[in-house]
Amino acid sequence: AQSVAQPEDQVNVAEGNPLTVKCTYSVSGNPYLFWYVQYPNRGLQFLLKYITGDNLVKGSYGFEAEFNKSQTSFHLKKPSALVSDSALYFCAVRITGFQKLVFGTGTRLLVSP
Amino acid sequence: DTGVSQDPRHKITKRGQNVTFRCDPISEHNRLYWYRQTLGQGPEFLTYFQNEAQLEKSRLLSDRFSAERPKGSFSTLEIQRTEQGDSAMYLCASTVVGGHNTGELFFGEGSRLTVL
Repeated sequence: AQSVAQPEDQVNVAEGNPLTVKCTYSVSGNPYLFWYVQYPNRGLQFLLKYITGDNLVKGSYGFEAEFNKSQTSFHLKKPSALVSDSALYFCAVRITGFQKLVFGTGTRLLVSP
Repeated sequence: DTGVSQDPRHKITKRGQNVTFRCDPISEHNRLYWYRQTLGQGPEFLTYFQNEAQLEKSRLLSDRFSAERPKGSFSTLEIQRTEQGDSAMYLCASTVVGGHNTGELFFGEGSRLTVL
């Protein structure tokens, strides 16, 4: 069965510092990988996706993610964090031929001034 | 606003009552999903529609839950005889299938259900 793991419940980083939010996946086929962000009492907003091609994908709000097939990881990164980046981040996976996204449990990002 | 809209945003009900949520997807999107999210968890898949056809239902969708998309546009999710364990955020998402679409979902703001 396909699954994703987000090993950190929370990540704390100071504003201006680089941030990384970790995600690993387990699938039997070729994965489509996604990152979403959720602000309090709001729905999920799409940030970026990996389908194929370049392992480094760029998305909204300066975020990027690196696909690593050998480590089955898809970590979310940003070179310089903003206080406004504080939110809940979800990694999700879909494999070819399946029609739904499977989400991780989420990582809360707290960026301090 | 051309995003996914959900109604109501908040619903408080007593145990045993029925509730219904509505979702209006992005107009050209032919696929619609329902997810449930509880505190501290990621969204869990409930069901999805391709146009008006319900193509998959999760085991989470007990007999008390029913979803429809009668004309392939808006969808409703009804919960009968609500239980306290039904308290959650119910998220609707839509996408368009075909062409170069790669399956990212566009979510609504969610409908939060509290069962007392």
